[in-house]
Amino acid sequence: DAKTTQPTSMDCAEGRAANLPCNHSTISGNEYVYWYRQIHSQGPQYIIHGLKNNETNEMASLIITEDRKSSTLILPHATLRDTAVYYCIVRAINTGNQFYFGTGTSLTVIP
Amino acid sequence: NAGVTQTPKFRVLKTGQSMTLLCAQDMNHEYMYWYRQDPGMGLRLIHYSVGEGTTAKGEVPDGYNVSRLKKQNFLLGLESAAPSQTSVYFCASSYSRGSGRALLYNEQFFGPGTRLTVL
Repeated sequence: DAKTTQPTSMDCAEGRAANLPCNHSTISGNEYVYWYRQIHSQGPQYIIHGLKNNETNEMASLIITEDRKSSTLILPHATLRDTAVYYCIVRAINTGNQFYFGTGTSLTVIP
Repeated sequence: NAGVTQTPKFRVLKTGQSMTLLCAQDMNHEYMYWYRQDPGMGLRLIHYSVGEGTTAKGEVPDGYNVSRLKKQNFLLGLESAAPSQTSVYFCASSYSRGSGRALLYNEQFFGPGTRLTVL
């Protein structure tokens, strides 16, 4: 699986958009970008995933650059409950279901 | 629909003791996983199972054994606990679609975790 690089921590004002970057410059053509988050002491929660097109669901939007070497997770209106560690994971969807979690980005939403 | 549940939520063991952690899911998922998470670190895969009666090693399998006798349950055993196994343990499950080259794996659903301390 391709390695990912994320900032260690970020802050965001409540009500503003939170933009979490992820670099995955060695991504292969069949590898998807997944995002999970882990709210303090809880199990990780799936947010969204995509291959090359931008994706949106009820939780967030995923923007993948045209060369697929980086992506951004967007939480459009961050709330205090979005304070969590966000993990960006890259893996092929048809090569087994093992996820390798790094250390992620610790997002703090400030009132 | 309880999703993924884990038993117990907390446990304290002495070095050398044994115990079993139970994971149960009611979503009829084929795949189940055990992860551990140490302070300030991401999750690391211990063992996983792609179906009833089958298990496989993950990234950090040493010191652990697993069994999947029923589709809905995945057990993680520590035969002789060590302080290095102090951690938070998470179970997860997922399903797949299609078959063969078209086999696609879907997102994992996680349990609430078991906090284990080995003294």
